[in-house]
Amino acid sequence: EVQLVESGGDLVRPGGSLRLSCAASGFTFNNYRMGWVRQAPGKGLEWVANINEDGSEKHYGDSVKGRFSISRDNTENSLHLQMNGLRTEDMAVYYCARVILDHRDSPFGYWGQGSLVTVSS
Amino acid sequence: EIVLTQSPATLSLSPGERATLSCRASQSVRTYLAWYRHKPGQAPRLLIYDASNRATGIPARFSGSGSGTDFTLTISSLEPGDSAVYYCQQHINWPLTFGGGTKVEIK
Repeated sequence: EVQLVESGGDLVRPGGSLRLSCAASGFTFNNYRMGWVRQAPGKGLEWVANINEDGSEKHYGDSVKGRFSISRDNTENSLHLQMNGLRTEDMAVYYCARVILDHRDSPFGYWGQGSLVTVSS
Repeated sequence: EIVLTQSPATLSLSPGERATLSCRASQSVRTYLAWYRHKPGQAPRLLIYDASNRATGIPARFSGSGSGTDFTLTISSLEPGDSAVYYCQQHINWPLTFGGGTKVEIK
């Protein structure tokens, strides 16, 4: 069974940093592209970032480009999101997600339960 | 950036009725279009990918159609558990984008 478990969500002040992690199990991690999607309070889903199987290709949403960095550790089956320069508009539930098809870009077929990031002074 | 516009914003129907949700893209996404259902406090769930393929475990009462810029998600017979927000998402171009969502309410 595919499982994705996020951790690291916390309360942080504007301008601060936070690192989210996602522990993956139940599948061959290094065969799949992974991503982060967020949902701000009262808003819809917003894609944040994606990373390919070996971490050599990364893509970011315009609102986080230059501030957030996605990475993965295939030896530990984990995905990370380093968030710097946090703003109040970054406050959201952050979901770790796996694409449905191996070795290709495809929709997110598996999702974690989410990790809450609160940005407030 | 490809903008996805969903309509209507809210749909209020009774159990057993048919729901038709629309997603329009600002430029062609061919068939690289997915649909998700998102219930409060839960993770989103993939329903349809590549415009018309049901994801694993999704019942046949969910169907998707369309290509290019106009897409439809149809729920043939609504059940009380279908109350949720439904999102479309394109994956042909970066950045990936979601539509604004359609809230389906069951009377």
